[in-house]
Amino acid sequence: LAKTTQPISMDSYEGQEVNITCSHNNIATNDYITWYQQFPSQGPRFIIQGYKTKVTNEVASLFIPADRKSSTLSLPRVSLSDTAVYYCLVVPKAAGNKLTFGGGTRVLVKP
Amino acid sequence: GAGVSQSPSNKVTEKGKDVELRCDPISGHTALYWYRQSLGQGLEFLIYFQGNSAPDKSGLPSDRFSAERTGGSVSTLTIQRTQQEDSAVYLCASSLYTLQGRSYGYTFGSGTRLTVV
Repeated sequence: LAKTTQPISMDSYEGQEVNITCSHNNIATNDYITWYQQFPSQGPRFIIQGYKTKVTNEVASLFIPADRKSSTLSLPRVSLSDTAVYYCLVVPKAAGNKLTFGGGTRVLVKP
Repeated sequence: GAGVSQSPSNKVTEKGKDVELRCDPISGHTALYWYRQSLGQGLEFLIYFQGNSAPDKSGLPSDRFSAERTGGSVSTLTIQRTQQEDSAVYLCASSLYTLQGRSYGYTFGSGTRLTVV
């Protein structure tokens, strides 16, 4: 399984854009990049998934360079409620592969 | 249901007792996963079900832990002779797989907070 490395924590302010970069140097051809968000006392919530280039949904954007050895989750105009732990995962395409969670990035949004 | 439902939400038990944790996945989701999360820690994989079978039990920490899934739906995680180190939040997730084997986002429940005293 491809190992991921991401910052332990990040601070931001309301209204700012937050970018979290994750390294996954040994990502395999069939692996997807997936991000989850976890609030205290809740299970992780799927945010976005991508394979290459850029993916955007109503919550975030995911930027993946051509070599796919890293990815950046972008949260536009964060609010206090975006304070959470964000996990970057590399997920094999094949069915049945468990998600392997690292330590995640603890994002604190300040007023 | 609309989401993954877990019960109970909180469980306090005495050391040495057995506990059963229940997970009701999203209807139609064929894959079901159990994880646990200790205070302030990341998620630790326990077991994976595809239908009623468990092709991956590699994360179960000891033979005190077991799980089953019936009817391709509800799953029960049983911990026998609980120990204080079993205290954690136990999370269940389910996922839908396409015929091509592509997995989509996993949906997690809110977990069961187990405290062994």
